[in-house]
Amino acid sequence: QSVLTQPPSVSAAPGQNVIISCSGGSSNVGNDHVSWYQQLPGTAPKLLIYDNNKRSSGIPDRFSGSRSGTSATLGITGLQTGDEADYYCASWDARLSAWVFGGGTRLTVL
Amino acid sequence: QLQLQESGPGLVRPSETLSLMCTVSGGSITTSSYYWGWIRQSPGKGLEWIATIYYSGHTYYSPALKSRVTVSVDTSKNQVSLELASVTAADTAVYYCARAFGAYYFDFWGQGALVTVSS
Repeated sequence: QSVLTQPPSVSAAPGQNVIISCSGGSSNVGNDHVSWYQQLPGTAPKLLIYDNNKRSSGIPDRFSGSRSGTSATLGITGLQTGDEADYYCASWDARLSAWVFGGGTRLTVL
Repeated sequence: QLQLQESGPGLVRPSETLSLMCTVSGGSITTSSYYWGWIRQSPGKGLEWIATIYYSGHTYYSPALKSRVTVSVDTSKNQVSLELASVTAADTAVYYCARAFGAYYFDFWGQGALVTVSS
């Protein structure tokens, strides 16, 4: 059971938009600094979004992040087949003094 | 460009100690504000944080693994090591080394090392 809760899967057609949610608590997501990672099949995770809404270097503006209270979201617009991957949210948990990850969301581009 | 490379045995016997090394190139592990972490991923599962260490030796450990984990740094070799004691099949995973900017995000990751625990 992950500390951060994500939907196991989402799907959408090419060109459409999708939102992936990440729910936590006051000691992690609510404490700011949520990051998002994309893991393409067979590869290492890659930083997409940091500090809730800042895109990492080289990440297209089709990817966006936001945070409100104890929930965060990753938005992807204009879906491409190359976006098919697992997406993870993460945050430092100040109460646990530990990094916590969401369980991951598999994005399928139909 | 910063690169991280994990290395170590791909097969470990149950009850023995898993040992991995992360060699950092293209940058120094003593760079201020950056921590070095280990994260693992069991087959078909999500990411699980194991531990994070600063070059000074200050460490944070996963509460679930704390009793079995030791991480250390060798600043002269620009390396970070991981030891996980008393392994079982449940410790079979791909182990990633990653750089963390403070408690904010992991910005560089190694390619990962698959470690299988089996007799």
